[in-house]
Amino acid sequence: RKEVEQDPGPFNVPEGATVAFNCTYSNSASQSFFWYRQDCRKEPKLLMSVYSSGNEDGRFTAQLNRASQYISLLIRDSKLSDSATYLCVVGPYSTLTFGKGTMLLVSP
Amino acid sequence: NAGVTQTPKFQVLKTGQSMTLQCAQDMNHNSMYWYRQDPGMGLRLIYYSASEGTTDKGEVPNGYNVSRLNKREFSLRLESAAPSQTSVYFCASVPATGDKNIQYFGAGTRLSVL
Repeated sequence: RKEVEQDPGPFNVPEGATVAFNCTYSNSASQSFFWYRQDCRKEPKLLMSVYSSGNEDGRFTAQLNRASQYISLLIRDSKLSDSATYLCVVGPYSTLTFGKGTMLLVSP
Repeated sequence: NAGVTQTPKFQVLKTGQSMTLQCAQDMNHNSMYWYRQDPGMGLRLIYYSASEGTTDKGEVPNGYNVSRLNKREFSLRLESAAPSQTSVYFCASVPATGDKNIQYFGAGTRLSVL
């Protein structure tokens, strides 16, 4: 079983749409959870950490479900600039495990 | 503040050639990492260094060696390059204080082995 699994997509959505990605992880001892964003041919960059109580950053909302071992990312009011690959990342920090990513394409 | 700097940005090698990928960070971070990213495979950890003077193997260390030259620099060496090592290589570092889980990445080195 893969450690971190994501639907590769692509998710094709129009501007203004709401889109959600899920990610499942296999290690129940995982303590740290993140969403990174990677633009085409660029390096990954932290989008947001995911906390147990859920957290929001502008149009982005992240949720963690430890019992079912999944995390989610919700993007509201999608912008063209949101087009990217979103990587689910699970810790501990010494050996973070990256999912393969979910591609999002936002069209006009 | 340059962050994490990788050199070179692009490289083409012939099978059997050797080369060293350089990585330097100016953020006074303790931990540094080398990943490779292949299409459909995601990021895979090659080696990491939790602090100056220590290195540990990651998921895919075969065919690579590393050197943590000092706190700033962490190099990755391919002694005898193989076509299977064609990939994009990313270096990352993690701060010693604050949120120790956030990884800061360099822009990557795109390597082709013919």
